[in-house]
Amino acid sequence: QSALTQPASVSGSPGQSITISCTGTSSDVGVYNSVSWYQQHPGKAPKLIIWDVSNRPSGVSNRFSGSKSGNTASLTISGLQAEDEADYYCCSYTTIRTWVFGGGTKLTVL
Amino acid sequence: EVQLVESGGGLVQPGGSLRLSCAGSGFTFSSYWMSWVRQAPGKGLQWVANIKQDAGDIHYVGSVKGRFTISRDNAKSSLYLQMNSLRPEDTAVYYCAREGGGHYSDYWGQGTLVTVSS
Repeated sequence: QSALTQPASVSGSPGQSITISCTGTSSDVGVYNSVSWYQQHPGKAPKLIIWDVSNRPSGVSNRFSGSKSGNTASLTISGLQAEDEADYYCCSYTTIRTWVFGGGTKLTVL
Repeated sequence: EVQLVESGGGLVQPGGSLRLSCAGSGFTFSSYWMSWVRQAPGKGLQWVANIKQDAGDIHYVGSVKGRFTISRDNAKSSLYLQMNSLRPEDTAVYYCAREGGGHYSDYWGQGTLVTVSS
């Protein structure tokens, strides 16, 4: 099972919006609405920010939103803030009943 | 408050074994699937294995099948990962995570570092 494809890095200025893509296949992202997104600050454990494509856990800012079209899922962060600077990972359930993560995207807030 | 605390990491020689533990608290451990996820130094996350509430359904990533064994003790609210035939490429921080009722992890421990080196 190959890792999902994410851009290595994205950047944006405070207040702007950015979108991170996550491309899989018809064996994972394309077949299940079981895509989740995690935020990880340096030296910290990952934190769930989106589950099942577009649902936000309680306490996560509504500036974070998720969507999916075909084999590609997306995470959008609006109104960028300095604290959003982190690594972001997508994850999908697969047809062989395993999970697969994306390679991660480093977000830089300029 | 949900807490997951991993232990058991350390330095081990190639071919050696190590057993990781994860103690859960603040929730009904026996009601949740649990997972192990690892992260090699400077690299991304990799899902390793998961286990159903009653241990009746278990899955592994291909690279650890036959070498790693996930298990749980609901009476002790604990999750385990027995790692045998360790390789340098198994070097990583290993996280214990709770599955939140679907295919996602809603709570994570702080991780324990496993280093495989001679």
